[in-house]
Amino acid sequence: DTGVSQNPRHKITKRGQNVTFRCDPISEHNRLYWYRQTLGQGPEFLTYFQNEAQLEKSRLLSDRFSAERPKGSFSTLEIQRTEQGDSAMYLCASSLGNPTQYFGPGTRLTVL
Amino acid sequence: GENVEQHPSTLSVQEGDSAVIKCTYSDSASNYFPWYKQELGKGPQLIIDIRSNVGEKKDQRIAVTLNKTAKHFSLHITETQPEDSAVYFCAASMKEKLTFGTGTRLTIIP
Repeated sequence: DTGVSQNPRHKITKRGQNVTFRCDPISEHNRLYWYRQTLGQGPEFLTYFQNEAQLEKSRLLSDRFSAERPKGSFSTLEIQRTEQGDSAMYLCASSLGNPTQYFGPGTRLTVL
Repeated sequence: GENVEQHPSTLSVQEGDSAVIKCTYSDSASNYFPWYKQELGKGPQLIIDIRSNVGEKKDQRIAVTLNKTAKHFSLHITETQPEDSAVYFCAASMKEKLTFGTGTRLTIIP
């Protein structure tokens, strides 16, 4: 399977802990996106990378959130000092910039 | 910023009938309109997309129409099958960011 992969698929953590998610895009896709989806809603844009450069960040991405794509391939999304309001599905997508975006299966975060 | 509204929020149709889902967008600069299907516990799957220089696009049982003047676009599924049951999202974008509607839960009644 050469689609977008995300790990872990599920994460349960206690409030105040830090968590990190990983996304591996489709091979050779130079653009990588992070979205957040809460129950009953559509995905909301968080940030995107073109190669290793982070080019846009949503106001949803508070200073507790940080994303990296150090070598222009996989990306990580870290949430520090998690809050119950951070509970959501975190989705990653990738594209060749044409502008079709292909999504991964998501990481479901539950903050207790 | 862009705002996308989607209707209806739920839709039930008899197997074999057609289903139509409608979306409106606010930013006239938006030029790309994809539709995604999302099954429980999975990520959104692209099913069809249309760009602003095209009024209609069809792929087998699925079609999308776009009215730029009215700023609305629609998804049409014909000859519905049980496996079409899912949540469908429309989206709009001008550059990189997709703005999604709130989704339509489609149920196909056997």
